[in-house]
Amino acid sequence: NAGVTQTPKFQVLKTGQSMTLQCAQDMNHEYMSWYRQDPGMGLRLIHYSVGAGITDQGEVPNGYNVSRSTTEDFPLRLLSAAPSQTSVYFCASSPGVPEQYFGPGTRLTVT
Amino acid sequence: AQSVSQHNHHVILSEAASLELGCNYSYGGTVNLFWYVQYPGQHLQLLLKYFSGDPLVKGIKGFEAEFIKSKFSFNLRKPSVQWSDTAEYFCAVNARYGGSQGNLIFGKGTKLSVKP
Repeated sequence: NAGVTQTPKFQVLKTGQSMTLQCAQDMNHEYMSWYRQDPGMGLRLIHYSVGAGITDQGEVPNGYNVSRSTTEDFPLRLLSAAPSQTSVYFCASSPGVPEQYFGPGTRLTVT
Repeated sequence: AQSVSQHNHHVILSEAASLELGCNYSYGGTVNLFWYVQYPGQHLQLLLKYFSGDPLVKGIKGFEAEFIKSKFSFNLRKPSVQWSDTAEYFCAVNARYGGSQGNLIFGKGTKLSVKP
């Protein structure tokens, strides 16, 4: 099993550009989530999904969209990037919410 | 709202010193508790978890944690740290509501630097 994979590993965007961060898992987990990690802030939940076709907002959803058309994939879309979205983004999956498996992360810089 | 507090932002120890990292949470109901570790440049890995039963939980790499319900605490310990334990450590809590489970709430993390 590859576990949780994320692409790209690094990305630089200009303010106003849009992009999609990809996340995939091959463990047939129902639950998937996106976090952002900022220095001194820990991890904060952006969006999550409890199954295909079901998504919900987390603590910091503004500026981000998600969809879940398959069990395996959970992409995160930045509609109009802002410098405040400079962060490291982690995707995670879980067979049930308590224990989550994290991907390697995407480091995003918005200039 | 639930929250998780990690009291130490940065801990610096010499090799072979003992480690204790504090974690307190604010939720009065049933919880699942976790410690994750993030080595430099890597993603989060699970160190240990507590769901129920024995409040003293042993994890990987010689780490252990004790759940003290009366103190809403889940402190991480290691008797003798190594240089390779240099990392950032995150405490996380998942609250259970009437049988269904909420999301993970993370503390802000504690950076551990171990001097050789």
